[in-house]
Amino acid sequence: EIVLTQSPGTLSLSPGERATLSCRASQSVSSSYLAWYQQKPGQAPRLLIYGASSRATGIPDRFSGSGSGTDFTLTISRLEPEDFAVYYCQQYGSSPPKLTFGGGTKVEIK
Amino acid sequence: QLQLQESGPGLVKPSETLSLTCTVSGGSISSSSYYWGWIRQPPGKGLEWIGSIYYSGSTYYNPSLKSRVTISVDTSKNQFSLKLSSVTAADTAVYYCARHWSTIDYWGQGTLVTVSS
Repeated sequence: EIVLTQSPGTLSLSPGERATLSCRASQSVSSSYLAWYQQKPGQAPRLLIYGASSRATGIPDRFSGSGSGTDFTLTISRLEPEDFAVYYCQQYGSSPPKLTFGGGTKVEIK
Repeated sequence: QLQLQESGPGLVKPSETLSLTCTVSGGSISSSSYYWGWIRQPPGKGLEWIGSIYYSGSTYYNPSLKSRVTISVDTSKNQFSLKLSSVTAADTAVYYCARHWSTIDYWGQGTLVTVSS
């Protein structure tokens, strides 16, 4: 069973700063099946990145994803006030089908 | 625009069965090659996949919950449902229904289910 570990647990930054979030898998995963979501309080998560590096529809280009194998990164180039939220990585396993989430990283205002 | 809406009791007693339904509008639950799944989130905690049903009717469950979970689909009503048996306080969570394949592209708004006597 693949475990996704996100770090740090909390990231304290100011608007305009760069945020780098990590997602590490316990074994190699296909980049095609690695996604990132943003969740704000009281809301369902929103898909940001799929296939490790492709932005979902309507997602600003300040969000970017990278990585392969066991190490994946979500980067927010310049934090906007609306970007302060919790971010989750997610992996899809195909045999049998299964979704696995990381524990989340909270990006908070410093 | 596809929309998903969860419905069901917000309060369930310990040892009883939690039952939720997700109604899909704006598209047919059986017309596309997607999974229809349930994800939950305990208060203040992270996301946990419960299980999914493929449009063909095949089901897939989280091994940690498999013995207590049943997901079914009613294509005539464009709905799919979750049953979780023998609930405890640890099952208190916001329950989301969602459409996915490798990523989740549509989510319901979520419904809080509290397990308490």
